[in-house]
Amino acid sequence: DIQMTQSPSSLSASVGDRVTITCRASQSISSYLNWYQQKPGKAPKLLIYAASSLQSGVPSRFSGSGSGTDFTLTISSLQPEDFATYYCQQSYSTPGFTFGPGTKVDIK
Amino acid sequence: QVQLQESGPGLVKPSGTLSLTCAVSGGSISSSNWWSWVRQPPGKGLEWIGEIYHSGSTNYNPSLKSRVTISVDKSKNQFSLKLSSVTAADTAVYYCARVDIVVVPAAMVYYMDVWGKGTTVTVSS
Repeated sequence: DIQMTQSPSSLSASVGDRVTITCRASQSISSYLNWYQQKPGKAPKLLIYAASSLQSGVPSRFSGSGSGTDFTLTISSLQPEDFATYYCQQSYSTPGFTFGPGTKVDIK
Repeated sequence: QVQLQESGPGLVKPSGTLSLTCAVSGGSISSSNWWSWVRQPPGKGLEWIGEIYHSGSTNYNPSLKSRVTISVDKSKNQFSLKLSSVTAADTAVYYCARVDIVVVPAAMVYYMDVWGKGTTVTVSS
């Protein structure tokens, strides 16, 4: 089974900060990596698919990079509405998906 | 645009069967998509349960496979989840989601692009 880890598990940041979240797979998953944002009491929302493709309607301050085992989600300038939990998800081992444990971004 | 709506009992007794339905609106369940169930226990992360194609083909999380059945009803444009022999550990918010696919060089990447709002299921006597 492919295991996903994320770091940090949580972080505190200020509006305007550049934020980077890392996701690591236990084996190479090429670019089969997606990122989701989840706010309390809400469903997850797709931000990035295939490691670096921005989902339609998602602000350009979000970007994704990486391939193989190491991936990053970057928020170039954190906005108040970006405080949420972020999950990575691998779809390499289809059928099936595995999510990372999540990274909570809160206000410093 | 496609919208998904989960429905079903919010309370299930231990050892019973959890049954949920996801209604698809604004699009056809017979499109070239898989349809998934994902759950989230209180305060925890996301767990993929399984998926179905309109043909009836299914894939399940190996950790739940023995207890899960996902089915599709094309006439009602909906798909359903049944989880048997439930325990308190199955208490969670259950989401349905549409799975789409993108073809990139040397890969076909699947991702969940449309989600329902989720429904809370509590397992308790």
